[in-house]
Amino acid sequence: AQSVTQPDIHITVSEGASLELRCNYSYGATPYLFWYVQSPGQGLQLLLKYFSGDTLVQGIKGFEAEFKRSQSSFNLRKPSVHWSDAAEYFCAVAIPGFQKLVFGTGTRLLVSP
Amino acid sequence: GAGVSQSPRYKVAKRGQDVALRCDPISGHVSLFWYQQALGQGPEFLTYFQNEAQLDKSGLPSDRFFAERPEGSVSTLKIQRTQQEDSAVYLCASRYSQGATNEKLFFGSGTQLSVL
Repeated sequence: AQSVTQPDIHITVSEGASLELRCNYSYGATPYLFWYVQSPGQGLQLLLKYFSGDTLVQGIKGFEAEFKRSQSSFNLRKPSVHWSDAAEYFCAVAIPGFQKLVFGTGTRLLVSP
Repeated sequence: GAGVSQSPRYKVAKRGQDVALRCDPISGHVSLFWYQQALGQGPEFLTYFQNEAQLDKSGLPSDRFFAERPEGSVSTLKIQRTQQEDSAVYLCASRYSQGATNEKLFFGSGTQLSVL
C-alpha cells in the first residue's frame, strides 16, 4: 500500500527566511501528489498538485514544490516565509484511478519574528 | 453554499452514546468523502460516495461506523456506541466530478468529536 512520510514534525523558520518541507512517498509508479495547508479550526486548503509534466509546480501563496522521481520526493518550498504561513502542512498522494487521498502525518510550521 | 459545511462543529459524547455528524457538500458536487483526523495525525480515509452510491467504505474502522447519502447531496456519518478511540476530527470533502482523482477536493472545517 502507498504511504507518505513527512520526517519533520515541527519546523521553526524566521520571518523572511526560506522554507523547505520534506515529503517522501512509497509507491511503485508515480502517483498524483498534493500539498495541503491546515490552519487552526480551518479545513484543508490545497496549495498545489502534481500529475505529470514539469516537475516544478507553482501553487498559491508563493509556494512551489519539486517532484524528484529518483528520490520519491515532493518537497515544498517558499523563498520568503510570512508570519501568516504558520500552520500545519500535509503532503498527500493519490493513485490514478483510485479515489482516496493518503496523507502524511503533517509538519507544523512555526514562524518566529 | 459557498463551501463544505459540517455540523456540529463540536460534539461531546459519553462513551456508549450514538452520534450523527452532518456534511453539506458544495451544491452540485458528485463526489463526497469522509476522513478521520486523530490528534497529531494526518487525515485518514473513511469512505467515498459518488452521488448516493457508497463506492468505497474500506476505511471505516468498525461496524459501529455507518455513512449514508440518500439523495446524493447531504451526508451523515453515524457512530454507534462511541468509544474513546473514536475521539477525532471528522472531515468531509467534496469534488465536482466523479472520476477525476486529480481534481481539487474542497474540505469542510470538520466536526471535533470528544468521547468521555
